[in-house]
Amino acid sequence: KQEVTQIPAALSVPEGENLVLNCSFTDSAIYNLQWFRQDPGKGLTSLLLIQSSQREQTSGRLNASLDKSSGRSTLYIAASQPGDSATYLCAAPVGGSQGNLIFGKGTKLSVKP
Amino acid sequence: DAGVTQSPTHLIKTRGQQVTLRCSPKSGHDTVSWYQQALGQGPQFIFQYYEEEERQRGNFPDRFSGHQFPNYSSELNVNALLLGDSALYLCASSSIAGGPFRTGELFFGEGSRLTVL
Repeated sequence: KQEVTQIPAALSVPEGENLVLNCSFTDSAIYNLQWFRQDPGKGLTSLLLIQSSQREQTSGRLNASLDKSSGRSTLYIAASQPGDSATYLCAAPVGGSQGNLIFGKGTKLSVKP
Repeated sequence: DAGVTQSPTHLIKTRGQQVTLRCSPKSGHDTVSWYQQALGQGPQFIFQYYEEEERQRGNFPDRFSGHQFPNYSSELNVNALLLGDSALYLCASSSIAGGPFRTGELFFGEGSRLTVL
């Protein structure tokens, strides 16, 4: 059974700092892992999708890595800005299914000016 | 390119009533998945529709049902509402059929906030 855990639950940093969000999963037989951003009361915005054949994926100031053998993924945010304040969620699929994702509870990030 | 659209954005119901939520997938997508997100929690998978059939189902009672139309849009129906059904209901679309859209990536809508009194 797939379980996803995110650490820390909340994080507060000053503007400009580089930071790392952690995600761990129990079933390493995944074919991809997806990171999302959620603003309060809003839907999910897809940030990065890492296929199992990839070790990392980059988009702007965001970099996500995937280590299936250890059951871990990290989201690295460079030069954080107040606009990055949101909840960040990682999600891993159940087995080989597409669409059935198991989510962590998220990391609530606050970037202070 | 319109993303995933959901309606209504907010609604209030009373216990025992029934509700229907609607979702239009992203252009090029053929699959719709529904999720329930309680406050402070990650989304939980309800079910998935592809080719107008329910393909996968999470751990939700039969009070939760759905439908997919030939244009790939979908509805989520919840009968006999309970206070615990109050949540943000999220729709996600993806592509199972082959082609450039079959990346495995899910795209979510803004959600429908349901309050049950």
